[in-house]
Amino acid sequence: QKEVEQNSGPLSVPEGAIASLNCTYSDRGSQSFFWYRQYSGKSPELIMSIYSNGDKEDGRFTAQLNKASQYVSLLIRDSQPSDSATYLCAVSGSARQLTFGSGTQLTVLP
Amino acid sequence: DAGVIQSPRHEVTEMGQEVTLRCKPISGHNSLFWYRQTMMRGLELLIYFNNNVPIDDSGMPEDRFSAKMPNASFSTLKIQPSEPRDSAVYFCASRPLERGSTDTQYFGPGTRLTVL
Repeated sequence: QKEVEQNSGPLSVPEGAIASLNCTYSDRGSQSFFWYRQYSGKSPELIMSIYSNGDKEDGRFTAQLNKASQYVSLLIRDSQPSDSATYLCAVSGSARQLTFGSGTQLTVLP
Repeated sequence: DAGVIQSPRHEVTEMGQEVTLRCKPISGHNSLFWYRQTMMRGLELLIYFNNNVPIDDSGMPEDRFSAKMPNASFSTLKIQPSEPRDSAVYFCASRPLERGSTDTQYFGPGTRLTVL
């Protein structure tokens, strides 16, 4: 069983819609949770971090964390073609290393 | 501030040759990570250093791979001899280590390695 699981996609949404990306993790001791965005041919770039249960909003992005269910999600409101990328979920455990999911490829259709 | 710097950005070599990838972490970051990314396996942690000391190298695929961090501002990842299956993008990332700092890692632009 993978430690961090994501729907591999690809996920396509029309411009202006809400894109929902999901991630589950296996280590109950995980403390920190991150969403990275990776454009094709580029390096991963941090877009959101979340540390406590609930929602965290930053502009069009909302991260949601449910530690009881070991579930993290990322919502992108008013999706734009420029949001088309691969989104990587990452989880930090006791050793403070990040374990990455395999990523979800998102395409926003104009 | 300069981000993580990696060189070369692209490397094409022939099977059996030695390859050396270089990384300069963000100034003040004393934890450094080497990752490999492929379509099949995603982003894999190869090795990481805290204060120039290797902490976990369990992700290094085999003895052909070695990594060093001689000082706080420089690290190398060496493959000798290289094989076609080593073809991948290799990323270096860094973060602060101090208590209270976040676990956010900042990635360099990567080195795209092609072994023919």
